[in-house]
Amino acid sequence: DAGITQSPRYKITETGRQVTLMCHQTWSHSYMFWYRQDLGHGLRLIYYSAAADITDKGEVPDGYVVSRSKTENFPLTLESATRSQTSVYFCASGHGGDQPQHFGDGTRLSIL
Amino acid sequence: DAKTTQPNSMESNEEEPVHLPCNHSTISGTDYIHWYRQLPSQGPEYVIHGLTSNVNNRMASLAIAEDRKSSTLILHRATLRDAAVYYCILRDPLGNTDKLIFGTGTRLQVFP
Repeated sequence: DAGITQSPRYKITETGRQVTLMCHQTWSHSYMFWYRQDLGHGLRLIYYSAAADITDKGEVPDGYVVSRSKTENFPLTLESATRSQTSVYFCASGHGGDQPQHFGDGTRLSIL
Repeated sequence: DAKTTQPNSMESNEEEPVHLPCNHSTISGTDYIHWYRQLPSQGPEYVIHGLTSNVNNRMASLAIAEDRKSSTLILHRATLRDAAVYYCILRDPLGNTDKLIFGTGTRLQVFP
């Protein structure tokens, strides 16, 4: 089925470890985004990509790395996880312009 | 980026209409007004968007003030499934990032 999928849905890891969150979309949307949502807050943009091999920082990029070698995939890597990165992470995609963004179901990440 | 102001919370009874207000006094001429909602434990979901004219779709209606400094999302008959946080967001399709800037939104409670 067409859509946007995130994996894993839940992840527990330890401080200092590297962890990668995956995002895959089947709509061939040019834009993809990573947001984080902390308890009691709205979503904040981490990184976004306008097309394959084009990425740019959002509001809170420190401690995160992204890549986009293929249009359909946009992985987010925490190179050395910290407790402050415990959050729910949402991936989204869209055509751009005034068209809506479509969100995945999120990855709940806990860093001990 | 132009900002929006929404009430923190609203309540409604099932089967009644709900009017969710949003103020955006600094809106620019090219900003579209978008509404998303986030159900518990899910990613945000697109609801509706418009520029100047009122808009209707299967989920809701969007009423935009003539001066565009405010708008209202209308749910014609609230159901329990409509209990969510509703976000009013301004987007400029001419911008080069296509990012969404989420505020804290309005938490809608629906009572049976």
